[in-house]
Amino acid sequence: GNSVTQMEGPVTLSEEAFLTINCTYTATGYPSLFWYVQYPGEGLQLLLKATKADDKGSNKGFEATYRKETTSFHLEKGSVQVSDSAVYFCAYMNYGGSQGNLIFGKGTKLSVKP
Amino acid sequence: DVKVTQSSRYLVKRTGEKVFLECVQDMDHENMFWYRQDPGLGLRLIYFSYDVKMKEKGDIPEGYSVSREKKERFSLILESASTNQTSMYLCASSPSAISGNTIYFGEGSWLTVV
Repeated sequence: GNSVTQMEGPVTLSEEAFLTINCTYTATGYPSLFWYVQYPGEGLQLLLKATKADDKGSNKGFEATYRKETTSFHLEKGSVQVSDSAVYFCAYMNYGGSQGNLIFGKGTKLSVKP
Repeated sequence: DVKVTQSSRYLVKRTGEKVFLECVQDMDHENMFWYRQDPGLGLRLIYFSYDVKMKEKGDIPEGYSVSREKKERFSLILESASTNQTSMYLCASSPSAISGNTIYFGEGSWLTVV
């Protein structure tokens, strides 16, 4: 069935380290792909998205490229900050009929140490 | 900015009680969603609605019902709360589904059933 698999955490990095969180999906057709972020005690916020193959989403120094050939949407950031500590969710938009809802990965918790 | 408001951030209810979780969005969105978030399981879709008085079951509808009498309001109902429904509940909304449309989340409602 349709699903999203992302690397398990927790991930602990030092400030200014390079970040990669892997995400792969199983879906039919051409889904839109998303990364959401959840800061402690808050709901989910959209971080970035990509709607077609080879699109690159970017925001706040984070990037992810829609790779249809590998069905992947890995999240990267060149230099993380303490304020990036959060849970990151990869998701794709699942279309049923004329409507859509998100299928989420299980989340990856990132802790950045000073 | 889109605003999705969940009426209660923290609730404690007794087993067997009827529980209402209310959600309101202010952007005239057609679609509304209720998710449940649990550690290690990520987000799972309970119900969604793509129009007033319309509803569709998600992945885990058992033990829940929903109501959408007005476009801006989507209520989640636990007819008889049980301890395994202790969780964080997230409401979300989005415009009609077209490729890449974003789903916006509320801040979440933490429900504890004792």
